[in-house]
Amino acid sequence: AQSVTQPDIHITVSEGASLELRCNYSYGATPYLFWYVQSPGQGLQLLLKYFSGDTLVQGIKGFEAEFKRSQSSFNLRKPSVHWSDAAEYFCAVSSGSARQLTFGSGTQLTVLP
Amino acid sequence: EPEVTQTPSHQVTQMGQEVILRCVPISNHLYFYWYRQILGQKVEFLVSFYNNEISEKSEIFDDQFSVERPDGSNFTLKIRSTKLEDSAMYFCASSPGSNTGELFFGEGSRLTVL
Repeated sequence: AQSVTQPDIHITVSEGASLELRCNYSYGATPYLFWYVQSPGQGLQLLLKYFSGDTLVQGIKGFEAEFKRSQSSFNLRKPSVHWSDAAEYFCAVSSGSARQLTFGSGTQLTVLP
Repeated sequence: EPEVTQTPSHQVTQMGQEVILRCVPISNHLYFYWYRQILGQKVEFLVSFYNNEISEKSEIFDDQFSVERPDGSNFTLKIRSTKLEDSAMYFCASSPGSNTGELFFGEGSRLTVL
């Protein structure tokens, strides 16, 4: 069965600092990988996704993520965090059908002024 | 920008009561989903729906749950006899096709069972 681990429950960074959120997955074949963000009172919004090809994927809001098969990781990065990035971030994995997502437990990001 | 809308945003019900959560998916989307998130836990897949029938469901989606697309625009989740452990945030989502990988989520309906 597929699974996703986000080892950091809560991360605090200062505005303008760089950010990396960790995600490790377990899946037998090549996974489809996603990062979603949830702002307070909002639904889950897709930041980026990886299906195949270039292992460094660019997303919205200046985010990027790198797929590392050898480490079973798909970490999310942003070079300079903005206060509006404060939210909860979810990593997810699915099989080829991409219909059933398995989510990680989420990482809450706090941004200090 | 088109979006998935859910109603109600919050519902409080007594244990044993029936609850219907409603969703209006994005109009040209073909796949519809329900996920839930119990407070402090992961977002969990419940069910996917395509071509007027369930295409996949999880172990959570037992006989107490049902889904319906009654009128071509709404997509509903019914819980027949609510239990305390059904208290959660329920998210509806839709996608244009099975392999796009992008699910568009609504803002969620919070269900509190007393």
